[in-house]
Amino acid sequence: QVHLVESGGGVVQPGRSLRLSCTASGFTFSTYAMHWVRQAPGKGLEWVAVISDDGNKKYYSDSLKGRFTISRDNSKNMLYLQLNSLRVEDSAIYYCARDVGKLWNYFDYGGQGTPVTVSS
Amino acid sequence: EIVLTQSPDFQSVTPGEKVTITCRASQSISNALHWYQQKPHQPPRLLIKIASQSFSGVPSRFSGSGSGTEFTLTINGLEAEDAATYYCHQSSSLPLTFGGGTKVEIK
Repeated sequence: QVHLVESGGGVVQPGRSLRLSCTASGFTFSTYAMHWVRQAPGKGLEWVAVISDDGNKKYYSDSLKGRFTISRDNSKNMLYLQLNSLRVEDSAIYYCARDVGKLWNYFDYGGQGTPVTVSS
Repeated sequence: EIVLTQSPDFQSVTPGEKVTITCRASQSISNALHWYQQKPHQPPRLLIKIASQSFSGVPSRFSGSGSGTEFTLTINGLEAEDAATYYCHQSSSLPLTFGGGTKVEIK
C-alpha cells in the first residue's frame, strides 16, 4: 500500500536552512505528482508546493516568496523540500502527500509529517 | 486565490445524530472540492473526493454534496470515532487552498 515517510525536521534558528525528505513506497512514484502541505501548531492546513510526476513543473504558495524549493528524485523514490531563510512563522508539521494525477489535483495519501521548529 | 469558508467552526454532537458541515467558495469551483478528516496527531485522511464521491474504505455514513460555490459534508449517525477536525479543500486553481476547519466533538 501507499507509504510516505517524512524526515529531516528539527529545531533551527531563524534565517537558517533545512532540507526535508519524503521516502515513498508501495506505488509507482514516478507517475504521480507530489505535494508538501504544512500545519502550524494549533492551526489549519496550508498547501506549500507541488511538483509534477516528471519533476519539470513546480508550483508554490505565494506566501513563501521564493524561499522554498520542491524537488524529486524518481530513481530513489524521494521527494524533497529545501527551506531557506526560515522564519518563526514557518514552524509547522510538514506533510508530503501524493496527488491523484500527474500535475496537480487533490491528494489521496499523506505521511505522518516531520516537525520543523524555527526558534532562536 | 480561492477562499473557502467553513461553518460552523465547532460542533458538539451526541452519538447517533446527524452532522452537517458547509463549505463556501469565494468563486465557482465546479465540483473540485474534497473533504478531509484529521484526528489529533494524525495526518489528514481523504473522505470525499470531487464533491460527492466517497474515497476507498470510508464508511457509508459520510457523504458529500454540492457544486459551484456551496458544498456540504454530512455524517449520518455520528460515531465516537468521528471526533476530529474536518477540512474542505479545492483543486480548481492554484494556489490550492483549504477551509479553516470544523472541529466535531462528541458530547
